Amino acid sequence: DAKTTQPPSMDCAEGRAANLPCNHSTISGNEYVYWYRQIHSQGPQYIIHGLKNNETNEMASLIITEDRKSSTLILPHATLRDTAVYYCIVRVAGGFKTIFGAGTRLFVKA
Amino acid sequence: DTAVSQTPKYLVTQMGNDKSIKCEQNLGHDTMYWYKQDSKKFLKIMFSYNNKELIINETVPNRFSPKSPDKAHLNLHINSLELGDSAVYFCASSQVSLVQRGTIYFGEGSWLTVV
Repeated sequence: DAKTTQPPSMDCAEGRAANLPCNHSTISGNEYVYWYRQIHSQGPQYIIHGLKNNETNEMASLIITEDRKSSTLILPHATLRDTAVYYCIVRVAGGFKTIFGAGTRLFVKA
Repeated sequence: DTAVSQTPKYLVTQMGNDKSIKCEQNLGHDTMYWYKQDSKKFLKIMFSYNNKELIINETVPNRFSPKSPDKAHLNLHINSLELGDSAVYFCASSQVSLVQRGTIYFGEGSWLTVV
C-alpha cells in the first residue's frame, strides 16, 4: 500500500472549515483513499473514502486531485468535538491490512 | 446496540499472568482484527481473521494467541504478560464486499496495564 504524508498538527477556529491535506504521490490506480479519525480515548472512526471522484457524506467532504497524488479532507463547520487525530490511508480494495500512520492532530479552538 | 464490543475495558494485571480480551461484532462482517496502540499512540495491526481463518499475523510474539470461534467473535489471549504489553488493544471488523473491506469499525478499546 502507498505511503501517505500528513502535517503533524493543525489548528482551526470553531465554526470554520477545517481542511486537512494528505500527500500520496505513489498511489496506484487501484488504491482508494480512506480517512479515519480518533477522538481522545476512543476507537478510530471511519469518515469517508474515495477512488477518483470527490465524495461527500454527512461528516465531511473528500477532494482528490486529478492526478490522485494528494487529497484534502474538509470538515465544513468544525466544532470542538472534531478535535482528534485524523488519519489518511491509501490501500487496495479487498486487502486485509490497513496501516495507520501518525496522522494529523487537529485542534479546534473556540 | 454497540457494533463492536470488547471486554474488559480496563485491565490491570501483574507480570507473568495470563489474560484474555473478548470481542464481538453484530454487523455481520466476515473480517475481524486486533490492533495495538502503544504509549506513543501508533496504531499497529496485530492480526486479521477472515471467516474464522487467520489471514495476517504481524510478527506478534506467540504469547499472543487470537481465537475466532465464529465470524462474530475474535478473542485475544495473552500468556506470560510483560511490561511492554501495556497498551490499548482495539478490536475491529470490516464489511464483506471488496470495496467496503477498507471501511473498518473499531471497538472502544481495552486498556491493559501490566505492573
